[in-house]
Amino acid sequence: NAGVTQTPKFQVLKTGQSMTLQCAQDMNHNSMYWYRQDPGMGLRLIYYSASEGTTDKGEVPNGYNVSRLNKREFSLRLESAAPSQTSVYFCASISRDQGEQYFGPGTRLTVT
Amino acid sequence: KNQVEQSPQSLIILEGKNCTLQCNYTVSPFSNLRWYKQDTGRGPVSLTIMTFSENTKSNGRYTATLDADTKQSSLHITASQLSDSASYICVVRGLYSSASKIIFGSGTRLSIRP
Repeated sequence: NAGVTQTPKFQVLKTGQSMTLQCAQDMNHNSMYWYRQDPGMGLRLIYYSASEGTTDKGEVPNGYNVSRLNKREFSLRLESAAPSQTSVYFCASISRDQGEQYFGPGTRLTVT
Repeated sequence: KNQVEQSPQSLIILEGKNCTLQCNYTVSPFSNLRWYKQDTGRGPVSLTIMTFSENTKSNGRYTATLDADTKQSSLHITASQLSDSASYICVVRGLYSSASKIIFGSGTRLSIRP
């Protein structure tokens, strides 16, 4: 099993550009999450999807949209990137039984 | 106020020494508490998970303790190795399964020097 995969690993955008971060998991998990991690702060929840076909806002959803394409894939879109969105983005999925989260390797995004 | 506070923010110790990292939380009601290890440039990986009724749990050289009355947890690392250099994150899950009830501490950055 590959676990949770994310693409791309690195990305540099100019202010105003758009892009989509891709995430996929092969563990048959129902719930998937997008977090951002900034220096000196804990991971903050952007959006999550409790099951295929549902999405909900987290703590910091402004400037982002998500799509739960199917059970495996959960994408995060920045429609008009801003420097404040410079961060490391992590996708995670959760097992039903114990609620343990499995994280992807992260996408390091810089907006200039 | 952060619901999960970790201390110290950073720590440097010599290889072979022991260390203890602290986590205080206010999340209530409480379901479980996890410690994650995050290597530089990687995603967090789970080390231990403890529920309300557990006081201690070990994973090799890592031992986590939990005092649910005082809402404190610690992660003790024995005989540290260079590969232990990483950030250690305390994560507390509220009793209800909403994703918004998973609260992350800001982590302790541990550096092991030869």
